[in-house]
Amino acid sequence: AQSVTQLDSQVPVFEEAPVELRCNYSSSVSVYLFWYVQYPNQGLQLLLKYLSGSTLVKGINGFEAEFNKSQTSFPLRKPSVHISDTAEYFCAVSDQGTGGFKTIFGAGTRLFVKA
Amino acid sequence: DAGITQSPRHKVTETGTPVTLRCHQTENHRYMYWYRQDPGHGLRLIHYSYGVKDTDKGEVSDGYSVSRSKTEDFLLTLESATSSQTSVYFCAISDGTGTTANYGYTFGSGTRLTVV
Repeated sequence: AQSVTQLDSQVPVFEEAPVELRCNYSSSVSVYLFWYVQYPNQGLQLLLKYLSGSTLVKGINGFEAEFNKSQTSFPLRKPSVHISDTAEYFCAVSDQGTGGFKTIFGAGTRLFVKA
Repeated sequence: DAGITQSPRHKVTETGTPVTLRCHQTENHRYMYWYRQDPGHGLRLIHYSYGVKDTDKGEVSDGYSVSRSKTEDFLLTLESATSSQTSVYFCAISDGTGTTANYGYTFGSGTRLTVV
């Protein structure tokens, strides 16, 4: 069965500092990996995705993530964060099962960017 | 988000009453999903649909039922609401096909349900 573990529930960081949000997954089949962002009182928005090919994927707002199959990890990184990046970030794994695709989400990491 | 709307946005209901939440899409996507979001749990899948009248259970389906009579509408029903079903409910849609990559979800803005 699939599972996703986000190792940090909260990450405080100063503005313009780099940040990495950790994500580990488990799955018995080939997977597709995603990061979503949720701003207060809003739905989730797709940040980036890994489907196949290059293990380094770039997303919106300057974020990137690197798929590491041997470590079953998919960390999200940004070299310099802004106050506006304060939000909750969800790592997710998806595979094809009976009847189509299902996606499992991690518990989320709340990123606080401080001035 | 454009193309997917949830109604109502907020609802307060009493224990034991039935409640129906609606998800409507204009994208003609095949897949539709209902998730609930609770602190410390992230999003958990309740039910999903892979076509008209084709639905299946997710990881937390007890106490919930769904229906999809048209491509654009996916209804979530709490047959007899309980306080443990107080949550934020999100609908999502996907254009992934059954044999190719899942291109990610588009989420609605959510429905905040309080059961008192």
